[in-house]
Amino acid sequence: ETGVTQTPRHLVMGMTNKKSLKCEQHLGHNAMYWYKQSAKKPLELMFVYNFKEQTENNSVPSRFSPECPNSSHLFLHLHTLQPEDSALYLCASSQGGQDQPQHFGDGTRLSIL
Amino acid sequence: EDQVTQSPEALRLQEGESSSLNCSYTVSGLRGLFWYRQDPGKGPEFLFTLYSAGEEKEKERLKATLTKKESFLHITAPKPEDSATYLCAVQAQGGSEKLVFGKGTKLTVNP
Repeated sequence: ETGVTQTPRHLVMGMTNKKSLKCEQHLGHNAMYWYKQSAKKPLELMFVYNFKEQTENNSVPSRFSPECPNSSHLFLHLHTLQPEDSALYLCASSQGGQDQPQHFGDGTRLSIL
Repeated sequence: EDQVTQSPEALRLQEGESSSLNCSYTVSGLRGLFWYRQDPGKGPEFLFTLYSAGEEKEKERLKATLTKKESFLHITAPKPEDSATYLCAVQAQGGSEKLVFGKGTKLTVNP
């Protein structure tokens, strides 16, 4: 595996379900990110982790709960989601710090019934 | 509030027909401006970072330029495989790693 891989690629869940999205980076990076991409809207940053520590939370509702056990893995735990949460969730990684380009995975397409 | 506006929303070109995409931005001190390409069903693919006005970067048929208010992505003699959505993002000075994205320009190159 190379780059940034995300699983699952597609997920359909009910509003009362609990599920998790997984991201793994094989680039030796120190920072990882979650973004949300909705139709007709720009990508929105959700969370930033540097060396496993959360350094930014972009006012994300508590029904989204991130976890970063090490610099290579990032999870997004989902519970009690709303229909407006249906979107493409993208994970990215970088060397960390400003100036460094962020490299993205191909995302998880999430649909809330 | 930092903001990025990309134009046009969509652009259709014939193969070989050169053109430019625009990215206008307002930011409280620019740290970097990033260009990405996104294919359907894929994540954004990094193309360029520009840091200061007057800077230019090139990659194959793509050339990115930067002024104090906007950036252009020039596409010279495009091919059908250049069809994609091109995203522009800015990062402000101050320590945050947050990228503020525009909505993108969807480019279609017809053979």
